[in-house]
Amino acid sequence: IVLTQSPGTLSLSPGERVTVSCRASQSLSSNFLAWYQQKPGQAPRLLIYGASSRATDIPDRFRGSGSGTDFTLTISRLEPEDFAVYYCQQYGYSPRTFGQGTRVEIK
Amino acid sequence: QVQLVQSGAEVQKPGASVKVSCKASGYTFISYYMHWVRQARGQGLEWMGIINPSGVSTSYSQKFQGRVTMTRDTSTSTVYMELSSLTSEDTAVYYCARGRGGSGSYTAFDYWGQGTLVTVSS
Repeated sequence: IVLTQSPGTLSLSPGERVTVSCRASQSLSSNFLAWYQQKPGQAPRLLIYGASSRATDIPDRFRGSGSGTDFTLTISRLEPEDFAVYYCQQYGYSPRTFGQGTRVEIK
Repeated sequence: QVQLVQSGAEVQKPGASVKVSCKASGYTFISYYMHWVRQARGQGLEWMGIINPSGVSTSYSQKFQGRVTMTRDTSTSTVYMELSSLTSEDTAVYYCARGRGGSGSYTAFDYWGQGTLVTVSS
């Protein structure tokens, strides 16, 4: 399953709203879709699983939504620590696959 | 607390093999699947395969089939990933990542190791 993220890069200021899209090449079973955040030199961190459930200790400004083939990650108000690369991943089929990533950078 | 601690950086020659370890602590080792994911410099994430630490079952991405072997040692709560016939295209950071549990092996990855840089160079 191919996951296509858009946009590739977002240039934003702290306090702004972020919307990242992830489209799957076929419908995902049981909405097995996750979002990860990765900062330079660090391992990815799980943010969202099951399309909309926040992982442990993830702030509520992070929200996942969507179903079927279209999914969205929303950050309601950007904090300085949120500037990073975000990946979607489907884990309902093998091979598990990731989107190509969306970079959120400081404007 | 859950921790996944990986072995150190490796430099290997083309055609050689590399074996990366991932030592788990802070949870019941055999109760959670473990995945391996790699990331070339400046690139995205690529899933390599999964191992069930409670048994001997593994599943590998077709891309790595025949070149990758994942094993585990329950006495030390460690999983291993060995990749053979290395080329420069295998230069990447390799991560172990724990499946978060729930729907068998089809779960998101909730804890990650710190990564191991494998460099393939003559």
